[in-house]
Amino acid sequence: DIQMTQSPSSLSASIGDRVTITCRASQNINTYLNWYQQKPGKAPKLLIYAASSLQNGVPSRFSGSGSGTDFTLTISSLQPEDFASYYCQPSYGSFHNFGQGTNLEIK
Amino acid sequence: QVQLQESGPGLVRPSETLSLICAVSGYSISSGHYWGWIRQPPGKGLEWIGHMYHSGSTYNNPSLKSRVTISVDTSKNEFSLRLTSVTAADTAVYYCARHDVMAFDIWGQGTMVTVSA
Repeated sequence: DIQMTQSPSSLSASIGDRVTITCRASQNINTYLNWYQQKPGKAPKLLIYAASSLQNGVPSRFSGSGSGTDFTLTISSLQPEDFASYYCQPSYGSFHNFGQGTNLEIK
Repeated sequence: QVQLQESGPGLVRPSETLSLICAVSGYSISSGHYWGWIRQPPGKGLEWIGHMYHSGSTYNNPSLKSRVTISVDTSKNEFSLRLTSVTAADTAVYYCARHDVMAFDIWGQGTMVTVSA
């Protein structure tokens, strides 16, 4: 079984800050890693797929990088609408369970 | 525009079977893609349940595998989830979603299911 370790679990930041969230897989998953954003009471929204590909309609301030076991989601300049929870998810063979999530709050 | 809508009972008794349906509009299930379920207990993170191709290939979460059945009905353009022997730990918002080549790209709004006597 592949375990995903996401950090930090919570993060406080200000408008305009650059923010990085990391996700580590317990074994090599190549670039089969996705990132989602979820706002309270809403369904998750796909941001990044295949580690670094931006989903259609997602602002370019979001970016993803990494391969193998270590991945990052970066928001280059935080906007008010970016305060939400973020989840990583592998899409590797039969392993698709989510990381535990990062709650991004306003400082 | 592809849309997904979950439906089913909001309350299920312990030890019984949870059954949900996801109706798909704007896209024919038989055209391709995998179709899956994800859940989220109150105040907690997302848990992948499983997803299925229209022709039958299935991936299921090993922690739930023995209790989960996902099926597709192409004639009704919908797919379903059955979870047997439920307990309070199965209380969650259940989402259906389309799995594109790499990720769940389109989601339903979610439906809350409570397991309680």
